[in-house]
Amino acid sequence: EVQLVESGGDLVQPGGSLRLSCAASGFTFSNYWMSWVRQAPGKGLEWVASIKQDGSEKNYVDSVKGRFTISRDNAKNSLYLQMNSLRAEDTAVYYCARYSSPSWYIDLWGRGTLVAVSS
Amino acid sequence: EIVLTQSPGTLSLSPGERATLSCRASPSVTSNYLAWYQQKPGQAPRLLIYGASSRATGIPDRFSGSGSGTDFTLTISRLEPEDFAVYYCQRYGSAPNTFGQGTKLEIK
Repeated sequence: EVQLVESGGDLVQPGGSLRLSCAASGFTFSNYWMSWVRQAPGKGLEWVASIKQDGSEKNYVDSVKGRFTISRDNAKNSLYLQMNSLRAEDTAVYYCARYSSPSWYIDLWGRGTLVAVSS
Repeated sequence: EIVLTQSPGTLSLSPGERATLSCRASPSVTSNYLAWYQQKPGQAPRLLIYGASSRATGIPDRFSGSGSGTDFTLTISRLEPEDFAVYYCQRYGSAPNTFGQGTKLEIK
């Protein structure tokens, strides 16, 4: 089955760190750009970061630049998001998402993992 | 950076009616790289339309997309009970992959 499964969400204090993981299965992970998209409680979708197939190109939304790092391990079919200096406004469900190849629309979503930043 | 503005914020209609959702881009979207997603409560979004007018696999033909440049429309020709959800447009092709703020389609 083609799927993405996120893990690593938790309650963390402001200023803390967290690493999210996304396990891909059912498709050739190394052939696709991947991304993280988040959704704050009761709010809309916000694209967070994306990474090229070989990890050589990464993009971030301005609000997370310098704090978040997207990475991948194609041998493990896994995508990661290292989140540092977390703020209350980072509280959200974080979705792992696959970009269609060769286009850039999102054609596969995970179920999401909840990150809550609070003291 | 492209800004996508969706209207209306909430649309109240009855099953069987026609729904028209708007997504306006500023500045314009190149190559019609515009997608539409549907999201139901507690679920991940689902791709409906890409390339402004191409239906994704498995999407019923009552869903259609149109438009180009700065003005795009998602039309649901005849609403089914399962269509009541939140709909998002998204510009893709290069970063940032901006989303619109969403239109909530609710039962009247």
